[in-house]
Order: sequence, then C-alpha cells, then structure tokens
Amino acid sequence: DAGVIQSPRHEVTEMGQEVTLRCKPISGHDYLFWYRQTMMRGLELLIYFNNNVPIDDSGMPEDRFSAKMPNASFSNLKIQPSEPRDSAVYFCASSLNRGGMETQYFGPGTRLLVL
Amino acid sequence: GNSVTQMEGPVTLSEEAFLTINCTYTATGYPSLFWYVQYPGEGLQLLLKATKADDKGSNKGFEATYRKETTSFHLEKGSVQVSDSAVYFCALSEPNTGFQKLVFGTGTRLLVSP
Repeated sequence: DAGVIQSPRHEVTEMGQEVTLRCKPISGHDYLFWYRQTMMRGLELLIYFNNNVPIDDSGMPEDRFSAKMPNASFSNLKIQPSEPRDSAVYFCASSLNRGGMETQYFGPGTRLLVL
Repeated sequence: GNSVTQMEGPVTLSEEAFLTINCTYTATGYPSLFWYVQYPGEGLQLLLKATKADDKGSNKGFEATYRKETTSFHLEKGSVQVSDSAVYFCALSEPNTGFQKLVFGTGTRLLVSP
C-alpha cells in the first residue's frame, strides 16, 4: 500500500491567498484526521471524519478553515484567506475501526509558509 | 478533559545508554495508550501500543507498560542507537469517542550521539 498521500509537500503563499491541502487516505480506512503541528502549540487535531462525515471539528481554529471529504478516497483542507500565523506542518492521518486498537497512519505532511 | 503529560526534552544520550521517557495521563474511563515516533521531515508512525492495564507494548527494542495505578506509560529502551534520534509522542485514545480520537503529549526530542 502506498500509505497516506498528501499534496503538496511544501506550499509558500502570500497572506490573503487561498490555500488547499489535499489528502488521499489508505484504501479501506474509514476514519480520516487532519492535524496541525507547530513549535508553539505542538500537535493539534483540527477535524476528523468517519465514513466521509465530519464527526468533530472543534479543533478548527476559525471560519477561515474548512475541510471536506467528498468520497472515501479524498479530503481537502482549505484556508481562506490565509494568514502568517497559519504557517505550520499539516498532517493527514487515516485509520480503520477495529474497536479500540486502531493505529492512525500519518502522511508525510504539508509544510505551509504564509508570508 | 483527557490529557497526556510528557517529560520535557531534549533528552541527550550517548549510544548504548539506557533510555526512559516519562508519560502520565488523565482520562475518563480506560483509554488505549500509544507511543508514536517522528523522524526528521516525516509524519508520525506508531512505535507501540497497549490497550489495558498491565499490558506491555514492545517494538524495535522499545517497551512500555500500561500502569493503571500510576496512570503512566513510560517508554524504555535498554541500549539506544544514533538512529533512534527522533521526537517521541505519548498518546491516548479517548474512550468516549469510541477510541478513535487521539490526545497527544507535547513530544520529547531524543538526541543520541556516537
């Protein structure tokens, strides 16, 4: 299996621009998670989906952030408009529900820099 | 709420030294416990896990035992290698989310010198 795939791996943009981060989970997995990692705040869960339905978006920082999962093979996270404080590494992870022993498989991350 | 507390880093060791990274947790119910490792420039990957009290997770020479009485899950390795240099995250899965949602500690950076 190719693992969790994220694109782009690096993104540099200017403040005010729209940013779209993409994720392809492992085939057959029914949970998908978006995390953000910064030096100051560590690893934060932004939102997670089960069978393409958002379950908990309480970690989404504000209305500028949105995430969708139109099908089992794809999710995107959008930031509009972007701000310098959004600079971080964004990880996507997926897992398969097995009643409590789930391993989350992380993608390589997208490193976002907002100038 | 549920939380995980890890020892501050960095932890600096010489090759072949003994490693302990402390992790304690606060949780409602009985979570599963995990250690994840992040190598430079990569995503997190599972190192080991345990689902109930007194379970021992082990992988690649690393071990951790689920201690309910002390709410701890300390990571140990008898002899570290330079290749073990990474950031280690302790995590728990929240029982009230069907064990799907993970709560991570802040991570502990390990630096091993030759």
